[in-house]
Amino acid sequence: GNSVTQMEGPVTLSEEAFLTINCTYTATGYPSLFWYVQYPGEGLQLLLKATKADDKGSNKGFEATYRKETTSFHLEKGSVQVSDSAVYFCALSDLNTGGFKTIFGAGTRLFVKA
Amino acid sequence: DTGVSQDPRHKITKRGQNVTFRCDPISEHNRLYWYRQTLGQGPEFLTYFQNEAQLEKSRLLSDRFSAERPKGSFSTLEIQRTEQGDSAMYLCASSEGIQGPETQYFGPGTRLLVL
Repeated sequence: GNSVTQMEGPVTLSEEAFLTINCTYTATGYPSLFWYVQYPGEGLQLLLKATKADDKGSNKGFEATYRKETTSFHLEKGSVQVSDSAVYFCALSDLNTGGFKTIFGAGTRLFVKA
Repeated sequence: DTGVSQDPRHKITKRGQNVTFRCDPISEHNRLYWYRQTLGQGPEFLTYFQNEAQLEKSRLLSDRFSAERPKGSFSTLEIQRTEQGDSAMYLCASSEGIQGPETQYFGPGTRLLVL
């Protein structure tokens, strides 16, 4: 079945450091890929998405490229801020094989120190 | 647009009791989803509605769980004869339902603790 694996946290960085959170997926079809973020005390919200191979999703300085050859969708940001501290979830949705549900990874907690 | 709302935000109950949660999606959103999230894990899909029709249910949704979406607006999730293993955050999400795949908008969740 479809699944998502992301790097375990927590990840602790200093402000302005470069961020990478790895995400790989398994899917029998051609899924759409997402990164959701959960800030402390808030609900999940979409950060970015990509719907086909080689697409790059971007938002708030974060980027991720849909790599079909490596089945990956790694999240990157060039310079993190304290306000980026949150839990980040990689996710996929595959209408052809998985219906409308979204499958989430376990989440990676990011701490950014001032 | 007030976003997805859920009620209650917190619920403490004793094992064996029944509980019901409510979700109000973003108005005009046709699709509504329920997920369960336990500590340190990502949300796990429970069920999905297209308008008032329940189109998909996870194997996680045992016969003690039932969900409804009368009139295709708000939805309720009921858990009968609660067990300690039901303790989790229950999340509701909605999406437009125009085409897939779509961005899902999540509510703040209902945190359930079964004693």
